[in-house]
Amino acid sequence: GDSVTQMEGPVTLSEEAFLTINCTYTATGYPSLFWYVQYPGEGLQLLLKATKADDKGSNKGFEATYRKETTSFHLEKGSVQVSDSAVYFCALKAAGNKLTFGGGTRVLVKP
Amino acid sequence: KAGVTQTPRYLIKTRGQQVTLSCSPISGHRSVSWYQQTPGQGLQFLFEYFSETQRNKGNFPGRFSGRQFSNSRSEMNVSTLELGDSALYLCASSLSGGNYEQYFGPGTRLTVT
Repeated sequence: GDSVTQMEGPVTLSEEAFLTINCTYTATGYPSLFWYVQYPGEGLQLLLKATKADDKGSNKGFEATYRKETTSFHLEKGSVQVSDSAVYFCALKAAGNKLTFGGGTRVLVKP
Repeated sequence: KAGVTQTPRYLIKTRGQQVTLSCSPISGHRSVSWYQQTPGQGLQFLFEYFSETQRNKGNFPGRFSGRQFSNSRSEMNVSTLELGDSALYLCASSLSGGNYEQYFGPGTRLTVT
């Protein structure tokens, strides 16, 4: 079945540091890939998405590129802020409207 | 445009009881999906409703059920609650399926004692 594996956290960074969260997937067919972010006490917010190979999703300084050859969708941000502290989820959607999520990565940015 | 709303936000129930959670999708959205979030199992898909019909179902026991009304509002019901049902239940709505984005509500935090 479909699955998503992402690096375990927590990831602790200083402000303005470079952030990378690794995500790899297993799926039949050609899934769409997503990154969601969850702030404390809130639901999930879509951060970015990519629907086909080599697509780059970007939003709020975050980027991720759909790499079919390595089945990966790593999230990057060049300079993090304290406000980026949250839990980040990688997810895929293959058939239908069902999202399959990774385990989440907690990111803590210190001033 | 108002976002996805879920009621109640917090709920405490006793083992053996049943519970009903409600989700109002974004206006115009016809698909509603439900997810369970726990520290141990992470985010797991429960089911999806579209035009009042269950379109997809995850691997949960029959104690978990749902329905959707003609105005696209959805409810999920859990009967004979167990301690392990304690979780954050998230609802997501989208226009349809395919590449349409899913928008999540804030969730209902259910605690079973």
